[in-house]
Amino acid sequence: QVQLQESGPGLVKPSATLSLTCTVSGASRNGSFWSWFRQSPERGLEWLGNIHYAGTTFYSSLFRSRITISLDASPDRFSLKLAAVTAADTATYYCARGTYPIPSRADIWGRGTSVSVSS
Amino acid sequence: IVLTQSPGTLSLSAGERASLSCRASQTVTTRFITWYQQRPGQAPRLLIFATSNRATGIPDRFSGSGSGTEFTLTISRLEPEDAAMYYCQQYGASPLISFGQGTRLEIK
Repeated sequence: QVQLQESGPGLVKPSATLSLTCTVSGASRNGSFWSWFRQSPERGLEWLGNIHYAGTTFYSSLFRSRITISLDASPDRFSLKLAAVTAADTATYYCARGTYPIPSRADIWGRGTSVSVSS
Repeated sequence: IVLTQSPGTLSLSAGERASLSCRASQTVTTRFITWYQQRPGQAPRLLIFATSNRATGIPDRFSGSGSGTEFTLTISRLEPEDAAMYYCQQYGASPLISFGQGTRLEIK
């Protein structure tokens, strides 16, 4: 059974970089896309970006200037970094598995992790 | 592309039939319309993909249809566990993946 689990700080200061990690269990990182989404009452569900198992990234134009998604050295993890955060980045962040070869949908989601941006 | 879901809230009784609408501001390939269910306090769950295909483990009470700019999620014989937010999602148009604002389904 494939499971994903987000981890990282629940509180980030304004202008800092938000860093989250997603741990994949029950499946190999190979042969899939891996995605980050977020959800807030103000903006609803938003797609942040995908990373192909070989490392190619696809980012939402809304975040392209400050987002980095990467594959960790550990074969069961991938990460999200979002720079220069503001209160508008307060949200629940989800990692998910995107379908392959076209990541048109996310078929497995993590439980989500709540991140607040505040001083 | 903007996805507009209606109604915002739907309140029905168990056993009734629900129709949830998703309207796109431009044509979307049927292959790239997806529906998710999100129960309170949970992550979204894949429900329907490619407009009309049920995901693994989804009961046949759930069905999807549509084409062009109009898509519908239908839930027949509502059960209490169907109370949730339902989101449509498109793939392809900028910003590549986007969601509707959701429909809240309440079971009376």
